Amino acid sequence: QKEVEQDPGPLSVPEGAIVSLNCTYSNSAFQYFMWYRQYSRKGPELLMYTYSSGNKEDGRFTAQVDKSSKYISLFIRDSQPSDSATYLCAMSKAAGNKLTFGGGTRVLVKP
Amino acid sequence: GAGVSQSPSNKVTEKGKDVELRCDPISGHTALYWYRQSLGQGLEFLIYFQGNSAPDKSGLPSDRFSAERTGGSVSTLTIQRTQQEDSAVYLCASSLVRGEGTNEKLFFGSGTQLSVL
Repeated sequence: QKEVEQDPGPLSVPEGAIVSLNCTYSNSAFQYFMWYRQYSRKGPELLMYTYSSGNKEDGRFTAQVDKSSKYISLFIRDSQPSDSATYLCAMSKAAGNKLTFGGGTRVLVKP
Repeated sequence: GAGVSQSPSNKVTEKGKDVELRCDPISGHTALYWYRQSLGQGLEFLIYFQGNSAPDKSGLPSDRFSAERTGGSVSTLTIQRTQQEDSAVYLCASSLVRGEGTNEKLFFGSGTQLSVL
C-alpha cells in the first residue's frame, strides 16, 4: 500500500464548476501538506501549502487538511479550461524533509 | 530570474549504456532533490541534498543510480548500465530551507525525458 493515495482520474468538469480533489495518507507523522499543479511536459508548480490541520484559501483555491482522518482536499472554484492539468498532493514530516507525492489526478475543464 | 535548469531535455540511449543528467538549481538554494516520474504516475523520490549534510539516498532504486552535487550547486544524476525500466522523466527541484513551520517551496525544472531502447 502506498503512503499517499490519490485517484488518478481523469476528472472532467464543465467550465465554471467546482473541482474537488483529495488524497488520503497512512503516516501520521506528516505535518506539511501541499498541492502541486503539473501541465504536460512541465515540472510541478506549488499551488497551496498548509502546515498541520486547517483550511487555507487563496483566490479560487481552498485547501483543507484533516489530520484526524488523514485526509486532505483541494477545491477549485469557478474552474477554467486553463485549470486543466494534473494535480499532485504532497506531504512531508518536517521542513527540509523529502516530499512524498500522490500519483496525481488529471483534471479536464471543458469550455 | 532563472529557474531550475535541467539538461538534456530529452535523452535516448541504448540498453546497457551509461547516462548523465544535469541539474542547475536556483542560485542560493540549499536543498536539491531528484525525483522520477513514470508515464501517468506520481513522483518517486530518488535523492536529496541539503547543504553540507550527507545526502538522503534512500530513494535510489539500485546501485546503478548515483548522484553528486559539486560545490553545493550543480548536481549530476548518473545511471549506469541503463535498463528499459529506467525510462521516465527525471525531475530536479531546489528550495531554500528556512526552518520548521516555514513555507518550503520546491521549484521544479522541466525534467529530462529518458528513453532506453
